[in-house]
Amino acid sequence: RKEVEQDPGPFNVPEGATVAFNCTYSNSASQSFFWYRQDCRKEPKLLMSVYSSGNEDGRFTAQLNRASQYISLLIRDSKLSDSATYLCVVTTSGTYKYIFGTGTRLKVLA
Amino acid sequence: DAGVIQSPRHEVTEMGQEVTLRCKPISGHDYLFWYRQTMMRGLELLIYFNNNVPIDDSGMPEDRFSAKMPNASFSTLKIQPSEPRDSAVYFCASSLTAFNEKLFFGSGTQLSVL
Repeated sequence: RKEVEQDPGPFNVPEGATVAFNCTYSNSASQSFFWYRQDCRKEPKLLMSVYSSGNEDGRFTAQLNRASQYISLLIRDSKLSDSATYLCVVTTSGTYKYIFGTGTRLKVLA
Repeated sequence: DAGVIQSPRHEVTEMGQEVTLRCKPISGHDYLFWYRQTMMRGLELLIYFNNNVPIDDSGMPEDRFSAKMPNASFSTLKIQPSEPRDSAVYFCASSLTAFNEKLFFGSGTQLSVL
C-alpha cells in the first residue's frame, strides 16, 4: 500500500462549481500535512498547510481527519485558473521526509 | 532571492553515459531534497540533506545514483551509468527548517536517456 494515495482524476468541473478531493495516508504517526499545486510542466508550489482544526484560505478549505487518516481539499467557485494537479503531502514524526501523493488532476471548464 | 536554481533544464543522453544534475538551494535554507517525478510513480523522494550532510538516502534507486552536497550552496545528483528507465523530471527543493516548512522547488531537469 502506498504511503499517500490520491484519486488521479481527472475531475472535470464547470466554472463556479465546488469540487473536493480526498487523500488518504497509511502511517498513523504522520504529523504534518500539506496541499501543493502543480501546473503542467512546472514545479510544485505550496497551496496550503492543513491544520488539525481545519483551515481556510479564500475559496480553499482544507480538513484533516486523523481517525480515518485522510485529508481533504475543497475548492469553491472554481476558476479556469484552478486547473492543475493537486498534490497531497505528508510528513512523519521523527523524519523530515515530505512524501507526496501522485496527485489529483482538476480541469475547470468554461 | 532567485529561488532554487537547477541545471540543466533539459538533458538528453545515451544509455551508459554519466549524467550530472546540479542544484543551488535558496541561501540560508538548511534542508535540501532531491525528488524524481514520473507519470507512473509521481514524486519520489530520493535523498535529503541537512546542513550539507546526507540524512536519508533510502529512496535512491540503486548504486548507480549518488548525491553530494560539498557546501551549503551546491548539490549534485549523479547517475552512472544511465539507463532509459531513469528518464524522468528531477526536482531539487530546499526548506528553511524541517517540519511545517514550505518546500521551494527548482524548475526541474527533464532527463531523457535514449
